[in-house]
Amino acid sequence: DVKVTQSSRYLVKRTGEKVFLECVQDMDHENMFWYRQDPGLGLRLIYFSYDVKMKEKGDIPEGYSVSREKKERFSLILESASTNQTSMYLCASSLPGPRGETQYFGPGTRLLVL
Amino acid sequence: DQQVKQNSPSLSVQEGRISILNCDYTNSMFDYFLWYKKYPAEGPTFLISISSIKDKNEDGRFTVFLNKSAKHLSLHIVPSQPGDSAVYFCAAQRKTSYDKVIFGPGTSLSVIP
Repeated sequence: DVKVTQSSRYLVKRTGEKVFLECVQDMDHENMFWYRQDPGLGLRLIYFSYDVKMKEKGDIPEGYSVSREKKERFSLILESASTNQTSMYLCASSLPGPRGETQYFGPGTRLLVL
Repeated sequence: DQQVKQNSPSLSVQEGRISILNCDYTNSMFDYFLWYKKYPAEGPTFLISISSIKDKNEDGRFTVFLNKSAKHLSLHIVPSQPGDSAVYFCAAQRKTSYDKVIFGPGTSLSVIP
């Protein structure tokens, strides 16, 4: 079974703090993704990576950066957390190619920025 | 502007009856469509998909219908079970960007015993 793990299930941070969200997958997948899920907006893609050290902006990259130094690990960084970044953050991984069902998600990190 | 729309935020259905979840899309370049299911405190999991060359795909109690001319798809669950209570996300992919999946806002389904 594919396993995608996220370092924290719940996180509370203060405005202006630097926040690191970690994601690890154990299936040697090339692609990794960071989404945020908000009520009424669904899942919106923040960044994705299709290889080590490679990254591409998604639909809402502002205020975020990412790091992929190893194939199995993809980190999302909030350089200076703000209250509008309070959200559920979901990491996913997949094989490259046409089949979207190959995206496997982690359980999510619920981030509260005070 | 949302390219994948689910206009019903929530739906309640009696156990044993049919659940119909609807989805509309605006981008005619989408050629692959998916439904994901999400329980609270878990990540979404893939449920069923359909290619744009088909108009129906069935997997057990789940059937997805695609109407390309109307840019509309629907997920039918028959019969509905309490364990089907979850948020359902409609999603789409473009042929030129297969690795990216565009998700709709989701519909929360409650199946009442």
